[in-house]
Amino acid sequence: DTAVSQTPKYLVTQMGNDKSIKCEQNLGHDTMYWYKQDSKKFLKIMFSYNNKELIINETVPNRFSPKSPDKAHLNLHINSLELGDSAVYFCASSQRDATQYFGPGTRLLVL
Amino acid sequence: GENVGLHLPTLSVQEGDNSIINCAYSNSASDYFIWYKQESGKGPQFIIDIRSNMDKRQGQRVTVLLNKTVKHLSLQIAATQPGDSAVYFCAEIINQAGTALIFGKGTTLSVSS
Repeated sequence: DTAVSQTPKYLVTQMGNDKSIKCEQNLGHDTMYWYKQDSKKFLKIMFSYNNKELIINETVPNRFSPKSPDKAHLNLHINSLELGDSAVYFCASSQRDATQYFGPGTRLLVL
Repeated sequence: GENVGLHLPTLSVQEGDNSIINCAYSNSASDYFIWYKQESGKGPQFIIDIRSNMDKRQGQRVTVLLNKTVKHLSLQIAATQPGDSAVYFCAEIINQAGTALIFGKGTTLSVSS
């Protein structure tokens, strides 16, 4: 009965590879987000989708492409992975009252 | 950007003490503030929120105070327990249209028995 789930939890890959992270929420929320947390624990918004439409795209390289097949899912695809992409990626969701609920995170390590 | 920041990166307290975690923000247009707790290896967990038309809100063992004059937010935890050990983030939202959270840098709270 997990509210916001992400897969995989850990992802170790080589530089230059393409990878995807999946996110699903069963809260019935209409807005979903991707955040990146760096090694200093700083959390920063990457994307926001409302009812499958992109509403926020914060100066993220084009190698990152979110995809929302329906409002319960927001997946993140990353092309040509770079060392600097190593971080923890969190998915979150909210309804209009703006309380955001976060997933457990995906720990990405690019070698 | 880092519109929302915290005064201290770490705070160490004894079990049973009261903890106060501070946060300063710079955007006077912010109208909604939230405190999150992040335990090791987990995602941020909602603790308490406050809207800009309030100056205090209480939850179970937690109180959030908002001082809009000096743009200051604090989280008070009563009778701190070892399970409260975590990183605490304040975050702001400038409007209610599903806008993303802007997080501060976080304070690591360590509670010793």
